[in-house]
Amino acid sequence: DAGVTQSPTHLIKTRGQQVTLRCSPKSGHDTVSWYQQALGQGPQFIFQYYEEEERQRGNFPDRFSGHQFPNYSSELNVNALLLGDSALYLCASSPLQGRGYTFGSGTRLTVV
Amino acid sequence: AQSVSQHNHHVILSEAASLELGCNYSYGGTVNLFWYVQYPGQHLQLLLKYFSGDPLVKGIKGFEAEFIKSKFSFNLRKPSVQWSDTAEYFCAVSSNQAGTALIFGKGTTLSVSS
Repeated sequence: DAGVTQSPTHLIKTRGQQVTLRCSPKSGHDTVSWYQQALGQGPQFIFQYYEEEERQRGNFPDRFSGHQFPNYSSELNVNALLLGDSALYLCASSPLQGRGYTFGSGTRLTVV
Repeated sequence: AQSVSQHNHHVILSEAASLELGCNYSYGGTVNLFWYVQYPGQHLQLLLKYFSGDPLVKGIKGFEAEFIKSKFSFNLRKPSVQWSDTAEYFCAVSSNQAGTALIFGKGTTLSVSS
C-alpha cells in the first residue's frame, strides 16, 4: 500500500480531448506534486500544490493545469491532448515542512 | 536549473556480482539526494536518502550510496545483487528547502540473471 491513491489506473483518450486525473495524498501530507513519466524516461516534474495554490511549476505548457482541494486531494487536468502526452502520471505527496515524498502507483494515460 | 545525470542506461549483471550505478547532479546550493527503485508494475519506492551528516548512507535491501560533494556525485552500490533486484533505478535531487520538487535522472535499468 503506497499510501497515495491515484485514479483511474488506466485511461485511453483521443487526441484533442481533455482528461482529469485524481490523487489522494498520504494521511498527514499537505503538499501534492505531479510528475509525467514517459516510457523509458525518468519522472518529469509538472507542478506542486500547497494550500490549494500552485507553488512550483516545471517546464510544461498551460494545457496542464491542476487543483488542490481543502482535504489536500488534487486533480491534474490536461486539455487538447496530444499523442505525446501518453505517459504514466505520478502523484507524490509530502509534508511541506518535511523532505520525504510518497509516490502513488500512477495513472497510465494513452492518447490515440 | 537542477539536473541529474545517470551514466548507465542499462546494466546487466549475474547474481552475486557487485553493483555500482553512477549519479551526478548539477545544482549550486545545498541538496537532498535520493535513490528510488521501480519494480515492474509497481510504484516508486525509496531506497535511501541523504540530507546531511555521514556521506555514506545505508538503505533498504542492502543498498548504500556515497555522497561526494566535490564530485557532485551520489553513486548507488550493492556488494552482491540478487535476481529480485531487477528493476529501474532513479537518482533524484531536491533543494534542501522543505517542500521543493524532486528532479529525477532518466533512470538505469538493472537486469540480473540467475
